Amino acid sequence: DARVTQTPRHKVTEMGQEVTMRCQPILGHNTVFWYRQTMMQGLELLAYFRNRAPLDDSGMPKDRFSAEMPDATLATLKIQPSEPRDSAVYFCASRRTGERETQYFGPGTRLLVL
Amino acid sequence: DQQVKQNSPSLSVQEGRISILNCDYTNSMFDYFLWYKKYPAEGPTFLISISSIKDKNEDGRFTVFLNKSAKHLSLHIVPSQPGDSAVYFCAASDYNNNDMRFGAGTRLTVKP
Repeated sequence: DARVTQTPRHKVTEMGQEVTMRCQPILGHNTVFWYRQTMMQGLELLAYFRNRAPLDDSGMPKDRFSAEMPDATLATLKIQPSEPRDSAVYFCASRRTGERETQYFGPGTRLLVL
Repeated sequence: DQQVKQNSPSLSVQEGRISILNCDYTNSMFDYFLWYKKYPAEGPTFLISISSIKDKNEDGRFTVFLNKSAKHLSLHIVPSQPGDSAVYFCAASDYNNNDMRFGAGTRLTVKP
């Protein structure tokens, strides 16, 4: 039963600290997405990659957020420095290239910045 | 900017009745639409989709209707069951961009 995994599931940190969230996409999926869920905005697309190359990160605050795919099995989302307004649930999703069907979502990382 | 809008944050229906969840979009380039269901502490899961060449797609108790001229789609659940209680996200994609935009979600509560 292939799944997208995300770590950590929960993170509480203080303002100004660096936060790193990790995602392991489903094996064979070469398109990876990062989303943020907030009460007001719903699911916002932050960035996405195809074959490890960033295709669109226009949804991400560039000054503090960065997204990378060091290899095909790992995607990372970093926030430095973190701020209370970054508190949200961050989801990673993956799918095969060219597939118009579903993205498969991970369980999310719930981030609380105090 | 919100290209996909779900204007009802919540909906409550009685078990056995019909649930109708609505979604509007502004980008006329969108040509593929999906509904996702999300339970607490889990990621969204795919429910049903529709291509812009169709106006209806049915899968068991779930039917999605698309009105392209109105840029509106809806999800009908008949009959509703308590296990359907979840947050439902509407999503749309533009084939050229290959990404997906989501609405803010509608929390459905089905009362026994």
